[in-house]
Amino acid sequence: EVQLVQSGAEVIKPGESLKISCKGSGYSFSSYWIGWVRQMPGKGLEWMGIIYPGDSDTKYSPSFQGQVTISADKSISTAYLQWSSLKASDTAVYYCATGGYCSGGSCYHFFDYWGQGTLVTVSS
Amino acid sequence: DIVLTQSPGTLSLSPGERATLSCRASQSVSSSYLAWYQQRPGQAPRLLIYGASSRATGIPDRFRGSGSGTDFTLTINKLEPEDFAVYYCHQYFTSPWTFGQGTKVEIK
Repeated sequence: EVQLVQSGAEVIKPGESLKISCKGSGYSFSSYWIGWVRQMPGKGLEWMGIIYPGDSDTKYSPSFQGQVTISADKSISTAYLQWSSLKASDTAVYYCATGGYCSGGSCYHFFDYWGQGTLVTVSS
Repeated sequence: DIVLTQSPGTLSLSPGERATLSCRASQSVSSSYLAWYQQRPGQAPRLLIYGASSRATGIPDRFRGSGSGTDFTLTINKLEPEDFAVYYCHQYFTSPWTFGQGTKVEIK
């Protein structure tokens, strides 16, 4: 069974750093892109970026480029999302997600599987 | 970036009725690269449709995806109580991949 298990909720002060995690199991972690999605309170889904754990190739949405860092450690099947200096506007639920497939030389990166979400609250 | 615009913002329907949700892209998206997700309150999104019209594993056949180019539709036949939720379209054709802003299907 494919599972993505995310780290627990965080309450952080503005200006502090944070790294949240997403551990995959039940599939070949290195072989599937894994993405991060933000959902601010009462709002929709925002695609932040994605990483291929096999070679750490990473793509960012321009909205999040330079604001966050996405990384992965394939030896422990874990992806990370980190901030160096959080702001109140970073308060949100953050989801990791993976899935899709490749066929005939093309790859289709929809998200079959989602983590449970990590609530990050930035408040003084 | 490809902008996905969903309409309507909210759809008020009764159980047993049909829901028709629209997703319009700002530029053409290959139909192989369009997905729909359902999100219930307090839950993570769930994949319903990928490749514009292929149902994900375990998704009932009352959910039907269609469309091509810039116009895509999710149809839910005979709404069940558990179908009242928010629905998002998603394009994974061109980076940055993007989501629509969502359509809420609420009980009338």
